[in-house]
Amino acid sequence: DTEVTQTPKHLVMGMTNKKSLKCEQHMGHRAMYWYKQKAKKPPELMFVYSYEKLSINESVPSRFSPECPNSSLLNLHLHALQPEDSALYLCASSQDTGMGYTFGSGTRLTVV
Amino acid sequence: DAKTTQPTSMDCAEGRAANLPCNHSTISGNEYVYWYRQIHSQGPQYIIHGLKNNETNEMASLIITEDRKSSTLILPHATLRDTAVYYCIVFYNQGGKLIFGQGTELSVKP
Repeated sequence: DTEVTQTPKHLVMGMTNKKSLKCEQHMGHRAMYWYKQKAKKPPELMFVYSYEKLSINESVPSRFSPECPNSSLLNLHLHALQPEDSALYLCASSQDTGMGYTFGSGTRLTVV
Repeated sequence: DAKTTQPTSMDCAEGRAANLPCNHSTISGNEYVYWYRQIHSQGPQYIIHGLKNNETNEMASLIITEDRKSSTLILPHATLRDTAVYYCIVFYNQGGKLIFGQGTELSVKP
């Protein structure tokens, strides 16, 4: 299995909702990442997990809460989002930090 | 911050070689040059990477200048499916962060 799987592919949520994005990989990678991508812009790094511990938070607002329950799974919990948080959220993994990344196909999030 | 400069857009005729340039004049000795591409609304896809030597794989070739201040990604026979945004990224292989610049939007035309 050489893929990073993200679910759901599309999500519409209200500003008062709580939702979660899920990312899964079975390549034995020990580093996992969340990126945010707005339309016509490059992906922006949000969080880095290394060996299931949060190692980098790129000053992301607390309404985004990452979680790494095990080495194969990465979640992004969403609460009280704003319409400007609408974007494509990408998950990636790598064998270790500093190795080439494999990206999932993303979750298209719309906040209404 | 991204440490690379790429043209905003390029066109290429189908079947011809696509040569995508990238400037990285401030690259450090232990930083690699990585190339990714992103087809519309999909996740970025790894293409190739190199340190100082030229590299080739089944997708592309990477030519790095001797002073390492610039590089060129070559798609030898571009197809319509190669239409995408191509990102050149300078990346430190010891705990570095993959930071995307603006990339080059390549349009392959029939």
